[in-house]
Parts: sequence; C-alpha cells; structure tokens
Amino acid sequence: RKEVEQDPGPFNVPEGATVAFNCTYSNSASQSFFWYRQDCRKEPKLLMSVYSSGNEDGRFTAQLNRASQYISLLIRDSKLSDSATYLCVVNSFGTGNQFYFGTGTSLTVIP
Amino acid sequence: DAGVIQSPRHEVTEMGQEVTLRCKPISGHNSLFWYRQTMMRGLELLIYFNNNVPIDDSGMPEDRFSAKMPNASFSTLKIQPSEPRDSAVYFCASVRDRDTEAFFGQGTRLTVV
Repeated sequence: RKEVEQDPGPFNVPEGATVAFNCTYSNSASQSFFWYRQDCRKEPKLLMSVYSSGNEDGRFTAQLNRASQYISLLIRDSKLSDSATYLCVVNSFGTGNQFYFGTGTSLTVIP
Repeated sequence: DAGVIQSPRHEVTEMGQEVTLRCKPISGHNSLFWYRQTMMRGLELLIYFNNNVPIDDSGMPEDRFSAKMPNASFSTLKIQPSEPRDSAVYFCASVRDRDTEAFFGQGTRLTVV
C-alpha cells in the first residue's frame, strides 16, 4: 500500500470556481503534513503546511483529519495561475525524517 | 543561498552506459533525499540521507542504482548500467530539520535510449 494516495484528476474548472483535493495517508504515526505545488517541468515547491486545527492562506484552506488519516486542500475563486499539479506530502519521523509524496492532482483552470 | 543545485540538467545516454547525477544541498541542511518522477508512478522516494548517512534506501529500484553522500555538501546517484526504463526526472531535495520545508533542486531529466 502506498504511503500517500491522491486522486490524480485531472480537474478542469472554470475561473472563479471552488475546487477541493483530497489525500489519504497510511501511517498513523505521521506527524507533519504539507501541500506542494508543481508547475509543468518545474520542481515541487511548498504551497502550505497543514495544521491539526486547519489553516488558511488567502484563497487556500488546508485541513487535517487524523482519525480518518485524511488531508484536504480547498481553493476558492480559482485563477488561471492556479493551474498546476498539487502534491500531498506526509513526513514520517518513525525511521528518520522521510517525506512521502502523493502522485499529485492535476488542476487546469479554464478561462 | 543558491538553493539545491543539481547537475546535469539534462542527460541523454545510451543503454548500458553509466550515469552519475549530482546534488549540492543547501548549506546547513542535514537531510537529503533523492526522488524519481515519471508520469506513471509520480514522485517516488529512492533514498534518504541524514547527516550524510543513508537511513532508508528501500526505494532504490535495484542494484544498478547506488547513492553516496561523502560530505554534507555533495551527493551522487549513480545508475550502472542504465536502461531505457530509467528515463525520468530525478530530483534532489534537502531539509534543514524535522518538521520543516523540503527544498528541491531543478531536477535532472534523464533519457536512456
């Protein structure tokens, strides 16, 4: 079983729409959670960390449900510039400091 | 800081040849990761070093792959002999400490023909 599972999409949404991505992780001992963004032919970059109480950064909201081992990312008022692949990331400290990435969810925002 | 530096950016080689990918992590970061990314399998963790010591290499696909980190500022990933199915983008990432952001290099796009 993969450490992190994501729906690969693709998600094609019109500008201004709200879109949500979900991710599940298998290791209940995981301690840190992140969403990364990857543009075409570029390296992944941190979008936001995910905190237990949920957190918001402008149009982006991230939530964590430890009981269900589930992470979500909500994007409101989608912009064309939001088109990218969004990667769910889990950091497990059990045997060190390992970052496990989901395969990513592709988003295209359409004019 | 220049960020994580990988070289070469692109590599095209013939099947059977040895390939060496290089990575210079951000100064002061004590963890280094090698990832491979393909369309089919996404981003896969190959190996992880902490303080220059390999901690987990369970993601290394087979004996043809090896990785070293002789000091805190340099790591290599070697494929010998290379095969067409090794074609992918290989990323190196470094982390300063627990619970902090992983910074990626720009990747090496490897094509084995």
